[in-house]
Amino acid sequence: SAVISQKPSRDICQRGTSLTIQCQVDSQVTMMFWYRQQPGQSLTLIATANQGSEATYESGFVIDKFPISRPNLTFSTLTVSNMSPEDSSIYLCSVPDPPRNTFGSGTRLTVV
Amino acid sequence: ELKVEQNPLFLSMQEGKNYTIYCNYSTTSDRLYWYRQDPGKSLESLFVLLSNGAVKQEGRLMASLDTKARLSTLHITAAVHDLSATYFCAVGSGTYKYIFGTGTRLKVLA
Repeated sequence: SAVISQKPSRDICQRGTSLTIQCQVDSQVTMMFWYRQQPGQSLTLIATANQGSEATYESGFVIDKFPISRPNLTFSTLTVSNMSPEDSSIYLCSVPDPPRNTFGSGTRLTVV
Repeated sequence: ELKVEQNPLFLSMQEGKNYTIYCNYSTTSDRLYWYRQDPGKSLESLFVLLSNGAVKQEGRLMASLDTKARLSTLHITAAVHDLSATYFCAVGSGTYKYIFGTGTRLKVLA
């Protein structure tokens, strides 16, 4: 199955700053997904990162707040911009790994 | 809009007992996935259910899918402490996209 390396594993950030999360996969994949898991909650899809085109954002998420890059078929970044305490969550990347999706280890973000 | 609900949200059970977690979803889909999440960890794939009537079993866990009823179940047999975790169902929506259920936090008491 696919192996995903996600960095950083955790961070504590000041409000108003930005954090970029990296996701590296050991094989080429057409799509990469970014999810948010707020404390004690389920996972919500933020966006789909496609190589060679702009990311597709789900309702309630915008590019200015969560810019995404996808420079090649094995790598993607998610930036959480102008952070507030409400952005404190676990952020996970995920890739198709048929017949299922495989998830990265997650980035635990705390905004103070 | 596809919605996925699980119940119960919290489950505290004694070791050795049986119980079922339910996953209901609101629109047609024939792809249903179960994941386990331990505290502070990522998601571990448990089951992939891709057709009506699919049943999968692994150890003390058994999952089934009824696409006509839009219902999946995760049955726990003779629970042990190691099964304590949060369990999520996820429904396939579009190409490889998942909509997750609310999650069931399971605690197995010795």
